[in-house]
Amino acid sequence: GAGVSQSPRYKVAKRGQDVALRCDPISGHVSLFWYQQALGQGPEFLTYFQNEAQLDKSGLPSDRFFAERPEGSVSTLKIQRTQQEDSAVYLCASSLIQGAAGELFFGEGSRLTVL
Amino acid sequence: LAKTTQPISMDSYEGQEVNITCSHNNIATNDYITWYQQFPSQGPRFIIQGYKTKVTNEVASLFIPADRKSSTLSLPRVSLSDTAVYYCLVGEAGAGSYQLTFGKGTKLSVIP
Repeated sequence: GAGVSQSPRYKVAKRGQDVALRCDPISGHVSLFWYQQALGQGPEFLTYFQNEAQLDKSGLPSDRFFAERPEGSVSTLKIQRTQQEDSAVYLCASSLIQGAAGELFFGEGSRLTVL
Repeated sequence: LAKTTQPISMDSYEGQEVNITCSHNNIATNDYITWYQQFPSQGPRFIIQGYKTKVTNEVASLFIPADRKSSTLSLPRVSLSDTAVYYCLVGEAGAGSYQLTFGKGTKLSVIP
């Protein structure tokens, strides 16, 4: 596709449910990032992949959060046993080059609401 | 990671030039400066990036003084569609740096 695609765009989960958010980056992009954006705040870094390798997961808020990119393209962010504080927009971004120095192309995000 | 400080909000009339200044007093030698724009319900979009002096592209200019402790994003003749949040980021060049810190950004409101 022409840009970064994320699905679902909107997800409502009951507290305690598991959710999976998908990101399709721009074809050929080496780097993939996940960010979390709470209402009225700027995006906050969660994790970074270089191809299939997860090189930085220091931003994941708890061990309930897990991300993978097994074939170096599509990525999934999984949240287990969701809590109300997990409600946020989850943004995926990809970049042609390694690291965060280049232009990041963001998707429109997946808005998660935990009831 | 260098911390950035920028105004929370700004108002401007249509057709005016808007300058948004960002302070980054502890910027490191290898750090570059990047600005992103974000509309509601969309992901951030890259505007411009620079290291020193002045950079200009088709949508904006970025002015960086010699000491690099601040930078100014200049938007010429803004329109209503420029109403958005603008983020100033400082990040380290190089393949080993993975995080960008967005902060709260500057909410620009363009008034008719």
